[in-house]
Amino acid sequence: DIVVTQSPDSLAVSLGERATIHCKSSQSVFYSSNNKDYLGWYQQKPGQPPKLLIYWASTRESGVPDRFSGSGYGTDFTLTINSLQAEDVAIYYCQQYHSPPFTFGGGTRVEI
Amino acid sequence: QVQLVESGGTVVQPGSSLRVSCAASGFTFSSFALHWVRQAPGKGLEWVAVISFDGSSQFYSDSVKGRFTVARDNSKNTLSLELNSLRGEDTAIYYCARAGPHIALDSWGQGTPVIVSS
Repeated sequence: DIVVTQSPDSLAVSLGERATIHCKSSQSVFYSSNNKDYLGWYQQKPGQPPKLLIYWASTRESGVPDRFSGSGYGTDFTLTINSLQAEDVAIYYCQQYHSPPFTFGGGTRVEI
Repeated sequence: QVQLVESGGTVVQPGSSLRVSCAASGFTFSSFALHWVRQAPGKGLEWVAVISFDGSSQFYSDSVKGRFTVARDNSKNTLSLELNSLRGEDTAIYYCARAGPHIALDSWGQGTPVIVSS
């Protein structure tokens, strides 16, 4: 099974500053057949279901503000939130969907 | 728009069984794989199971394999999860989610709570 590890567990960022979250998989989630990394990022606010932000490691879902960006390949990935807004306070999860079980990272809580 | 509505969550005793369901609308149900993801109180997301678009294949997490069964009825646009031999650690909100064209989970229901307690 692919183990997905996120860091840090939590971070506090000032409004307008940058937040950086890391995600590491125990095996590569890259498929050479289509040149894609099978890694997604989700945002979950209190009392709400998760919301997809990023898929294929770096492609923003429709409607997601461009201050959210994903990068990385293979086993190491990053979610960056530029110019943090108050509404970005949430827990962020990465998930590998390369092979079942489609494991999530433990989550990173972002606070102001 | 895509809508997923879970139901069936309740309080049950350890060792008992339960079926939770997910009613889908707003998209071509039979074209998409569907997942169950759960979240224990105050904890992170745990992937539970997936079923292919036509129901021909299913995969489970090790923690539920052999106890839970995922199924779908493409004629009724309904996804279900049969939970057997329930344990306290199965207490969670159970979400159904659609795997989008990019395979990531692009639409989620609001979840249904399952509480296993004596």
